[in-house]
Formats: sequence, C-alpha cells, structure tokens
Amino acid sequence: KQEVTQIPAALSVPEGENLVLNCSFTDSAIYNLQWFRQDPGKGLTSLLLIQSSQREQTSGRLNASLDKSSGRSTLYIAASQPGDSATYLCAVRRGDMRFGAGTRLTVKP
Amino acid sequence: EAQVTQNPRYLITVTGKKLTVTCSQNMNHEYMSWYRQDPGLGLRQIYYSMNVEVTDKGDVPEGYKVSRKEKRNFPLILESPSPNQTSLYFCASSLSPTGSPLHFGNGTRLTVT
Repeated sequence: KQEVTQIPAALSVPEGENLVLNCSFTDSAIYNLQWFRQDPGKGLTSLLLIQSSQREQTSGRLNASLDKSSGRSTLYIAASQPGDSATYLCAVRRGDMRFGAGTRLTVKP
Repeated sequence: EAQVTQNPRYLITVTGKKLTVTCSQNMNHEYMSWYRQDPGLGLRQIYYSMNVEVTDKGDVPEGYKVSRKEKRNFPLILESPSPNQTSLYFCASSLSPTGSPLHFGNGTRLTVT
C-alpha cells in the first residue's frame, strides 16, 4: 500500500527566504506526482504536476523535482512571500491517488 | 469558467437520513473522484471513476456509493449517514485518468448528528 510522507509538518520562515518542502513515497510505480496548495477552509489548488518520466517542473518561483527511484520529491519556493502562507500537499497517482499530510508554511513579514 | 462544482457547501443532517452530494464539472474530464479530509488523517480517497460507468473504490469506500451515468456528474451518496462520516468532502476531476492535473471543487462540509 502506497504511503506518502511530508516533512516537515510545519515550517515558519521570514519573508524572502528560499525554502524546500519534502515528500517521500514508498511505491515508485506511479503515473505522476502533483503538488497542491490549500488555504484554510478552501479547496486545493494545483501548483505543479510531474509525470513519472520527468525530473522537474517549474512555474514562476516554484520548482518541483522528482526522483522516482528513491521515492522522493521536493518543492522549492524561491524568495518566499507572506502570500505563500498555506498548507502544501503532495499526492502520487496510479489509478487511485494518495496524499501526504501536508506541510503548513508560515511566511512572516 | 472551467470549474468543479459541488453542492451543497454545508450540510447538517441526522443519522440514517439518506443524502446526496452533487459534483459536476464542465471541462469534459474523463476522471472524477471523491475525497474526505479529516484533522490528523489528511485527504483520503473514497471512490474514483476513470470514465462513464466505470467506478473503483479508493481508500475509504465503506458507507458511500457513487455513480457515473454521464461524464460531467459524479454524485456521492450516503445511504445511511453516521456521525463518523462528519467531514470535509472534496470532489475533483482531471482530463485523463493518468497524466493531467487534478482540479478540485470548493468542498462540502458535512455534519451528521
């Protein structure tokens, strides 16, 4: 059974810092991995999707990498801003979809 | 506007009273799915559908039913709700079952007393 783990569970940083969020999964037989953002009381917003054949994806200040063989993905956020404060979730997909518990990020002004 | 629409946003009901939460997408997506989100347990998949008339169990299907009679709709049915089904529910869809991003609805907060 696929297990997805995100570390750390919570992170607080000052504005302007670059930061890395981690996601690990136990079964490398996946179609893709997706990173989401969730604001309190809201739905999930898709940030980046990495296909199993890809190594990384970039969108603006966000860069996600995937190492399928080691079961790891990282989400890099450059020059963090208070508006980046949210919970970030990763999910792996193979037919079904399994989510990590998320990393709650707080960016202080 | 391309979106996944869930209704209702909030629902309070009593144990045993059948209810349906609707989900509709206007993007011609093949894949649709339902999740519940609980504190400390995260997001867990209830059911998913790869296409019309094709549904599969996710991680926590007990106590739920779904149907996919047409491409745009994927209702979640609770035949006899119980208090342990109190949760935040999300519907999501994607263009293909494997390779495209998942788009989420805004959620339905269900309370069963």
